[in-house]
Amino acid sequence: GDSVTQMEGPVTLSEEAFLTINCTYTATGYPSLFWYVQYPGEGLQLLLKATKADDKGSNKGFEATYRKETTSFHLEKGSVQVSDSAVYFCALPQDPAGGTSYGKLTFGQGTILTVHP
Amino acid sequence: DAGVIQSPRHEVTEMGQEVTLRCKPISGHDYLFWYRQTMMRGLELLIYFNNNVPIDDSGMPEDRFSAKMPNASFSTLKIQPSEPRDSAVYFCASSLASQGKDTQYFGPGTRLTVL
Repeated sequence: GDSVTQMEGPVTLSEEAFLTINCTYTATGYPSLFWYVQYPGEGLQLLLKATKADDKGSNKGFEATYRKETTSFHLEKGSVQVSDSAVYFCALPQDPAGGTSYGKLTFGQGTILTVHP
Repeated sequence: DAGVIQSPRHEVTEMGQEVTLRCKPISGHDYLFWYRQTMMRGLELLIYFNNNVPIDDSGMPEDRFSAKMPNASFSTLKIQPSEPRDSAVYFCASSLASQGKDTQYFGPGTRLTVL
């Protein structure tokens, strides 16, 4: 079935450093792709998404480009802040064609990001 | 607007006891999901509902777990009897198909500890 693979963590950076968290996917079609973020003690929340190839999703200074050539959706931010410390999840729909898994997301294992002052 | 509401936020119980977790989805949402999160296994989908009907419960670990959605504004996840390996954070999430079913809104979670 469709799946996502995230880079191994955790990732530790100093404030204002450049961030990349890798995500690659396996899918039979061209599903929408998502990044969710989980701040300490909270539930996940949608950070950004891209619905088709070459789309770039962006939010709060984070960006990710849907690249079908490399089946990737890497998350980037040019200058991280301490407040970006969280767990980041890449995700895709299990069955975007509207079959029995319609509405179900598959999440990566999560990457812990810690940003130091 | 109120987000997804879960109760209790923390639950500590002893092995063998019944545990009931509660969720109120965002008003008008037609999908509801129950997840479990642990360090070892990450985020696991347990079951999800569409218009109050269970669609996929293949992630429910065993018969000790059951979930219901008696109406559009309330769902429960019950564990009976509970075991220490059930200790985890349980999340409820909801989504609206017409606004992008894949954009799920998560509650704050219930941290369950089974002693």
